[in-house]
Amino acid sequence: DAKTTQPNSMESNEEEPVHLPCNHSTISGTDYIHWYRQLPSQGPEYVIHGLTSNVNNRMASLAIAEDRKSSTLILHRATLRDAAVYYCILRRYGGSQGNLIFGKGTKLSVKP
Amino acid sequence: NAGVTQTPKFQVLKTGQSMTLQCAQDMNHNSMYWYRQDPGMGLRLIYYSASEGTTDKGEVPNGYNVSRLNKREFSLRLESAAPSQTSVYFCASSGNRGGNQPQHFGDGTRLSIL
Repeated sequence: DAKTTQPNSMESNEEEPVHLPCNHSTISGTDYIHWYRQLPSQGPEYVIHGLTSNVNNRMASLAIAEDRKSSTLILHRATLRDAAVYYCILRRYGGSQGNLIFGKGTKLSVKP
Repeated sequence: NAGVTQTPKFQVLKTGQSMTLQCAQDMNHNSMYWYRQDPGMGLRLIYYSASEGTTDKGEVPNGYNVSRLNKREFSLRLESAAPSQTSVYFCASSGNRGGNQPQHFGDGTRLSIL
């Protein structure tokens, strides 16, 4: 699977929007962009995924660049509960194992 | 709405003991996975089961065995526990192995081997 690059850490204030960037310059045409987050002492939690178009769900929005070499996870109003490590992962359609390959992710801190 | 349930949540073993970690999902998913997470690191795949009746090795399978008991359940067995297997173990499931399928995780089993 292609590699992703994320900042090690970011800070946000509560109730402000947060934009978490991810670079994936070697993405292939069949790679889906997935975002997961892991709160302290919990298992990873699915956030959102997309292929080419921007996506919205109740948790977040995913903005995908036109050339697909980068994407941004948008939390519209950060809460203290959003403090977590956020992982941007590429999953290939028809991949052999189907597992997620986790990098180091971005540790998001939310200040009250 | 349970999702993925793992038992036990915590376990302490002595070196050489054996145990089985249980995982069950109620989402009618075909694919199930076992990962381990060591401190400060990302998750690594131990074994996976693409569908009922099949299992395959992942990145770090040594020292482990798995059983896909039925569509709902996927267990992980440590035959002779070693201190290097001290870790947090996560079970996950997805509709299938496709790239457009999200994975859903359990809360983990925290295993210490003395």
